[in-house]
Amino acid sequence: KAGVTQTPRYLIKTRGQQVTLSCSPISGHRSVSWYQQTPGQGLQFLFEYFSETQRNKGNFPGRFSGRQFSNSRSEMNVSTLELGDSALYLCASSLWDRVRGSSYNEQFFGPGTRLTVL
Amino acid sequence: AQSVTQPDIHITVSEGASLELRCNYSYGATPYLFWYVQSPGQGLQLLLKYFSGDTLVQGIKGFEAEFKRSQSSFNLRKPSVHWSDAAEYFCAVGAGLTLGRLYFGRGTQLTVWP
Repeated sequence: KAGVTQTPRYLIKTRGQQVTLSCSPISGHRSVSWYQQTPGQGLQFLFEYFSETQRNKGNFPGRFSGRQFSNSRSEMNVSTLELGDSALYLCASSLWDRVRGSSYNEQFFGPGTRLTVL
Repeated sequence: AQSVTQPDIHITVSEGASLELRCNYSYGATPYLFWYVQSPGQGLQLLLKYFSGDTLVQGIKGFEAEFKRSQSSFNLRKPSVHWSDAAEYFCAVGAGLTLGRLYFGRGTQLTVWP
């Protein structure tokens, strides 16, 4: 099975611009979560999508948004970029399987998108 | 609220030596605990997980972790470290069985001397 893929891998933007990042989950996984990783704040949860609905959200401003499509692929958008938005953005997918004993907590991560805001 | 503490920011060990990375968590119910590893410029790879049952869990790459409820700890161990184990290690606790949200510690950077 292919893993979680994220595009693009690297992105350079300037302040005030907006950006869209894409994530394709592992086949069959319906939950997609997004995290921001910075040296100062560590790994912080942004939001989770399941069946095209946002069901969990972290403590980020409204400039950060996302969506999920019917094929479980997800995008996140950051509008009006600030210097502090420079980070590695990680996407993770998961599924709940009682038989295998896995849960939505057991998340499989993509390689991330490195966003640099100048 | 859930939280995870990794007391050691940076650990240096010699190749072949044993390793223990510490993790303490705060969670009101039965925790779902994980260890991930991240190599430079890469995403997170799941090393092992604990949901219930045997408190000593085995993972990939020869790692194991022990859940101790009385100490709220989930320490990661490896009997003999290889140079390729140099990376950053993150402990995480899940928000609940049906929620795809993890709370991460700040990570422990492992350096391995030849």
